Amino acid sequence: KAGVTQTPRYLIKTRGQQVTLSCSPISGHRSVSWYQQTPGQGLQFLFEYFSETQRNKGNFPGRFSGRQFSNSRSEMNVSTLELGDSALYLCASRGTGNSPLHFGNGTRLTVT
Amino acid sequence: GQQVMQIPQYQHVQEGEDFTTYCNSSTTLSNIQWYKQRPGGHPVFLIQLVKSGEVKKQKRLTFQFGEAKKNSSLHITATQTTDVGTYFCAGGNSGGSNYKLTFGKGTLLTVNP
Repeated sequence: KAGVTQTPRYLIKTRGQQVTLSCSPISGHRSVSWYQQTPGQGLQFLFEYFSETQRNKGNFPGRFSGRQFSNSRSEMNVSTLELGDSALYLCASRGTGNSPLHFGNGTRLTVT
Repeated sequence: GQQVMQIPQYQHVQEGEDFTTYCNSSTTLSNIQWYKQRPGGHPVFLIQLVKSGEVKKQKRLTFQFGEAKKNSSLHITATQTTDVGTYFCAGGNSGGSNYKLTFGKGTLLTVNP
């Protein structure tokens, strides 16, 4: 079974630009969550999608948005990038109930 | 909202020494999961605890879930260099369709050979 796939692996953007990150979950997983990871801040929850609906949302500004498609693939968008948005963005999928999260390798975003 | 505190933030040990990381939740949890993230890698699921007072072992790793289901610990006996990484706990609520995992900030373990 293929794991969670995130693209691209690395991204360099300039302040003010926008970026879209992609995540393909494990086949059969309908839940996809996004996390931001920066040194010292651990894993900050962005949002979770299930069957194309946002089910939970973290405390991030509206510049951060996401969506999920009918095939469970998910995208995350960050508009008007700021230097502080530089981070590792991790996507994770899971099965039903309290199944564990399966993380992708992440997208390393650098904002200059 | 639910908060999960994890201590210590960092731990440096000599190879062969023991290591423990602790998690405390502000609310009663339905379950707790533990993940390990190697340097440069992504978090990988280790184990899940569900029952009050539950203890599970994986080789040199021992996981405990408190009686009140508000705290948990991970203990590594006789650390090895392969244990290096950040260990995260993640507490689950019992919100049904609104089930949510809250991660602690993690404990970075370094091991001196």
